[in-house]
Amino acid sequence: ETGVTQTPRHLVMGMTNKKSLKCEQHLGHNAMYWYKQSAKKPLELMFVYNFKEQTENNSVPSRFSPECPNSSHLFLHLHTLQPEDSALYLCASSQDPSSGNWYFGPGTRLTVL
Amino acid sequence: AQSVTQLGSHVSVSEGALVLLRCNYSSSVPPYLFWYVQYPNQGLQLLLKYTTGATLVKGINGFEAEFKKSETSFHLTKPSAHMSDAAEYFCAVSSDSWGKLQFGAGTQVVVTP
Repeated sequence: ETGVTQTPRHLVMGMTNKKSLKCEQHLGHNAMYWYKQSAKKPLELMFVYNFKEQTENNSVPSRFSPECPNSSHLFLHLHTLQPEDSALYLCASSQDPSSGNWYFGPGTRLTVL
Repeated sequence: AQSVTQLGSHVSVSEGALVLLRCNYSSSVPPYLFWYVQYPNQGLQLLLKYTTGATLVKGINGFEAEFKKSETSFHLTKPSAHMSDAAEYFCAVSSDSWGKLQFGAGTQVVVTP
């Protein structure tokens, strides 16, 4: 248990659905991240939030929409996804990114039909 | 710019034998270097990290890694493999002020009796 929780753990959705992934941390961290982990590919950084402000969007398609309402919660809103978006989505948080102390959640396994 | 190369996507090792996972990095500034482990259906767990100071870093579960600047390497070792070491291992580098992690493609470790 790392202190970062993600819900749901598994999600199956059609291409026309709208769903949201949730990440929560009560570690007092100020930075939160979304990563995408696809088979046979390195983990891809998607979004970075520092103090609730988005500081990085790594050329992610607009069908992925992040939201950070406060420093403890991070959402990833999904809309009209494609089958190639099926992957494990990992959330992470850190207090001081330069310290290297990232904590990862268990991930949400997303399948797009 | 920074990048990470892990040599070998799959490694098979006998129980009790040496585990050696190779990682080379490129970074324009002194890097922070990390090894993470991922067990099936779980998120990433930090094994060890190098930020500054001693170049031989000891981590959890008997793993250690040595930062060699001249070789731009950060190889992970464990003297004696255990069945519970079967997992996927990721090397990562961070070298910017926001501390974004760049991951290697991962190495799947199989431990045989």
